[in-house]
Amino acid sequence: DTGVSQDPRHKITKRGQNVTFRCDPISEHNRLYWYRQTLGQGPEFLTYFQNEAQLEKSRLLSDRFSAERPKGSFSTLEIQRTEQGDSAMYLCASSRGGPGTFSYNSPLHFGNGTRLTVT
Amino acid sequence: RKEVEQDPGPFNVPEGATVAFNCTYSNSASQSFFWYRQDCRKEPKLLMSVYSSGNEDGRFTAQLNRASQYISLLIRDSKLSDSATYLCVVNKSGGSYIPTFGRGTSLIVHP
Repeated sequence: DTGVSQDPRHKITKRGQNVTFRCDPISEHNRLYWYRQTLGQGPEFLTYFQNEAQLEKSRLLSDRFSAERPKGSFSTLEIQRTEQGDSAMYLCASSRGGPGTFSYNSPLHFGNGTRLTVT
Repeated sequence: RKEVEQDPGPFNVPEGATVAFNCTYSNSASQSFFWYRQDCRKEPKLLMSVYSSGNEDGRFTAQLNRASQYISLLIRDSKLSDSATYLCVVNKSGGSYIPTFGRGTSLIVHP
């Protein structure tokens, strides 16, 4: 079981720079999620994909954030013109999904996260 | 009102104690519920799903009260290793499979 992997584990960048993170989900999982977590808070939903289709994006997400999952496998999350407020842990998770009640009960499997520090 | 609310704690209990956490959710049409555990600076990991009839896994018992829109987690015979943050997760309804997390409840078990 290879699990969900994220790269890099840590990223320090200067304000105004662009950063890109990668997530490789569990291979048989067709759903992929991005969350952001800051200290003392739970993970906050950013966006999710079912296969290669981006089905929903948080209204809180500014247009500096973009995510792709071009072949329905790995995904990238890009943040343009980073700000200090973007400093957080960025978590990727995957799950199995499809129509029916089974989908509702499919738990998320998280990667180790990418910790972003914007200076 | 937040979609999922939890008391952040911390709950500070001695080893062997029984401790219970509640979590309330705002969307009455929510379909599925989970408890996750998160250790400091680590990713969340599934602790258990929560079923309508209630379910137990060893020292852990989860219950769902749809009428009052809350779920609970009971930990019996607390161990030092149970110290962590416990996250309540509710699956957003309406066709979008978006698990929504509470802010978590911190548990500290001391000798």
